[in-house]
Amino acid sequence: DIVVTQSPDSLAMSLGERATINCKSSQPILKSSNNKDALAWYQQKPGQPPRLLIYWASTRESGVPDRFSGSGSGTDFTLTISSLQAEDVAVYYCQQYYSTPYTFGQGTKLEIK
Amino acid sequence: QVQLVQSGAEVKNPGASVRVSCKASGFTFSNYYIHWVRQAPGQGLEWMGIINPSGDRTTYAQKFQGRVIMTRDTSTSTVYMDLSSLISEDTAVYYCLRWKDSPDYWGQGTLITVSS
Repeated sequence: DIVVTQSPDSLAMSLGERATINCKSSQPILKSSNNKDALAWYQQKPGQPPRLLIYWASTRESGVPDRFSGSGSGTDFTLTISSLQAEDVAVYYCQQYYSTPYTFGQGTKLEIK
Repeated sequence: QVQLVQSGAEVKNPGASVRVSCKASGFTFSNYYIHWVRQAPGQGLEWMGIINPSGDRTTYAQKFQGRVIMTRDTSTSTVYMDLSSLISEDTAVYYCLRWKDSPDYWGQGTLITVSS
């Protein structure tokens, strides 16, 4: 199984600051069929299902604010929130979908300082 | 609008089985894979398995092999997840989600509590 590891486990930032969450896969997750990395990012607020933010490592889902961006390749990926808003307080997860089981990172809890 | 509506919360005894349903509407059900993911209280997300659009192929996480069965009924646009031999560690919220180009819509979740 591909192991996915996020860092940090938690993060406290001030409003308007840039927040960065990292995700590392235990092996490359580049799909040869389309030359894209099979990685998704989700935001989850208490009592809600996860919300898709980013897929194919850098494609923003429709309706997601452009302050959210995904980058990286190979085994190292990053979710960046360019200017933190109060509504961004949540737990963030990455998931690889290169091969089953489609494993998740352990989550990163983002709070306002 | 796209909806995945799941069945309600249940309490089960250890050793019992549970069936969770996921009814789709607002999209062409037969075009999408359906995945199941669970989340234990206060914990992270765990991928359980996938059923293909025609319902004739499933892939399960090894952890659940032999205990989980996923099926789909195209006549009612519903997917089912059966989990047997329940233990307390199976207490979790179970989610279905659709996936074609991306995992874009999730059900609201179903809380399954395993307790004697």
